[in-house]
Amino acid sequence: AQSVTQLGSHVSVSEGALVLLRCNYSSSVPPYLFWYVQYPNQGLQLLLKYTTGATLVKGINGFEAEFKKSETSFHLTKPSAHMSDAAEYFCAVSDSGGYQKVTFGIGTKLQVIP
Amino acid sequence: DAGVIQSPRHEVTEMGQEVTLRCKPISGHDYLFWYRQTMMRGLELLIYFNNNVPIDDSGMPEDRFSAKMPNASFSTLKIQPSEPRDSAVYFCASRYRTAGGELFFGEGSRLTVL
Repeated sequence: AQSVTQLGSHVSVSEGALVLLRCNYSSSVPPYLFWYVQYPNQGLQLLLKYTTGATLVKGINGFEAEFKKSETSFHLTKPSAHMSDAAEYFCAVSDSGGYQKVTFGIGTKLQVIP
Repeated sequence: DAGVIQSPRHEVTEMGQEVTLRCKPISGHDYLFWYRQTMMRGLELLIYFNNNVPIDDSGMPEDRFSAKMPNASFSTLKIQPSEPRDSAVYFCASRYRTAGGELFFGEGSRLTVL
């Protein structure tokens, strides 16, 4: 079975500081990995995804993530936080075959301090 | 396209009442997912369908929960009878069969059971 662990349910950063949100996954087959963002009272939106190929993937709003198979990690980063980045971020994994059931982590709430 | 449409957006009901949540996926999408979001448990997958057929309902918490997808453009999640612990935000999401395809979420149905 696949699973995702997000370290830190709440993360606070200062505006302009580096954002680092951690995600580790478990999957018995090559995974597809995703980061989604949720703003208050809204559904989730895709930030970026890794399926195959380049292990460093870039997404919207200046975010990027690197797939590290040896560490089973897919951490999300952004060099400089903006106030508008305050939201909840979810890491997700799906199998690369079969029905590709998508399993989400518990989420990390990002607070950006002015 | 209008996106994934869920109704109602908010539902307040009393314990023991039947609750029906509705979802219209994006036209042409092959998969439909129902998730439940709570503070304590994060985003839990309840059930998902492929081409209107339920594939995995192992996340449905109890027999009080049921889901149907009578056609490609409509799905329901029913709770009968409802209990206070069912209070949560219920999300519907859909996607294409494409490998690693993005999930498109509705805005959610916030259920409060008194």
